[in-house]
Amino acid sequence: ELKVEQNPLFLSMQEGKNYTIYCNYSTTSDRLYWYRQDPGKSLESLFVLLSNGAVKQEGRLMASLDTKARLSTLHITAAVHDLSATYFCALLRESGTYKYIFGTGTRLKVLA
Amino acid sequence: NAGVTQTPKFQVLKTGQSMTLQCAQDMNHEYMSWYRQDPGMGLRLIHYSVGAGITDQGEVPNGYNVSRSTTEDFPLRLLSAAPSQTSVYFCASRRDTSGTGELFFGEGSRLTVL
Repeated sequence: ELKVEQNPLFLSMQEGKNYTIYCNYSTTSDRLYWYRQDPGKSLESLFVLLSNGAVKQEGRLMASLDTKARLSTLHITAAVHDLSATYFCALLRESGTYKYIFGTGTRLKVLA
Repeated sequence: NAGVTQTPKFQVLKTGQSMTLQCAQDMNHEYMSWYRQDPGMGLRLIHYSVGAGITDQGEVPNGYNVSRSTTEDFPLRLLSAAPSQTSVYFCASRRDTSGTGELFFGEGSRLTVL
């Protein structure tokens, strides 16, 4: 059974600290997506990682993809309150299909 | 651009009632899809479409019907609502069946079935 596991599921951190969210998956997908969702809102695309070793950065967030380890990370540097949200990783069930599977999400709360 | 528009934003139904959640996009996207979001379960794919006249099932299709008569619209029909269908529903589209595959989401429709 295809699994996409994120950890931690909940993360409470102080402003200014660093932390990493992990996304492990069991398929051979060579691309992975990260989305952000604010409470009661829609999902917004953060990163699209298209190949092994891909690294993307936007502000205090950096995402990477290791397809051999079937692992993607979302690293938060010097967290600020505005980063409080739920973060999802997602990928295609099989290459060439259009069925996406999402992780359960990591709810991040940054405390002032 | 309006992007992906969903209506209604909130709906309360009684068990056994039927309704349609509307989704429209103005980006000329070929691919459209419906997800449901439940606490602790992420998003689960209900149905998707890769173009007008073409639809396919996702991982949780039971109790839902879809059709795609135009590129712009992809309605989701609940034929006989059940309490288990209480959820937040998201419509998402992507540019085409190639490219990066990034999804664009609507604002969501919160459905409660009593």
